[in-house]
Amino acid sequence: GQSLEQPSEVTAVEGAIVQINCTYQTSGFYGLSWYQQHDGGAPTFLSYNALDGLEETGRFSSFLSRSDSYGYLLLQELQMKDSASYFCAVRVGSSYKLIFGSGTRLLVRP
Amino acid sequence: GAVVSQHPSWVICKSGTSVKIECRSLDFQATTMFWYRQFPKQSLMLMATSNEGSKATYEQGVEKDKFLINHASLTLSTLTVTSAHPEDSSFYICSASRLASSTDTQYFGPGTRLTVL
Repeated sequence: GQSLEQPSEVTAVEGAIVQINCTYQTSGFYGLSWYQQHDGGAPTFLSYNALDGLEETGRFSSFLSRSDSYGYLLLQELQMKDSASYFCAVRVGSSYKLIFGSGTRLLVRP
Repeated sequence: GAVVSQHPSWVICKSGTSVKIECRSLDFQATTMFWYRQFPKQSLMLMATSNEGSKATYEQGVEKDKFLINHASLTLSTLTVTSAHPEDSSFYICSASRLASSTDTQYFGPGTRLTVL
């Protein structure tokens, strides 16, 4: 079977740092992606890790450890607009097929 | 950038009718397009993978005769919900992967909210 685990909700204050973890068990692994989705909107791509290590893009960073089947998304200098749902997704095949986690709802408070 | 559009953005229909949703990649050619369904406060569930010029591959539990997918060109895929029922009401999202992409990502359309009365 395929499963991705991530916390259902996280709350943090503006300006803080938050880490959203994702563990996965999938038949096949090409890479781990992160997507942001605001209520009523479509998912937008944040990052992709195919190899172990940390990828940094502005305020967002993503980490992957393939041996631990684990990754995380790190959001720094939180802003109110970062309140959204964040999904990890595993690419399971050469066809770019993605399996999504259940999503983490992030609430940023003033 | 890589832009994917969907049409319509929302649709309300009567039970028993069919609804067609279009997904277009506007500024790139998509080798593969994907169709997802998302219920409120839930994750995206992959329904099917669509390759240009070939039959779609459906995920387990998705009825291929109810959700008809056509991928006529490298920039257009359509999803037709046939004989829609209230339980088909959902947010339908398509995505496209880019030919020779260096970022290995899918680009998502804005979604279509379907309400079946």
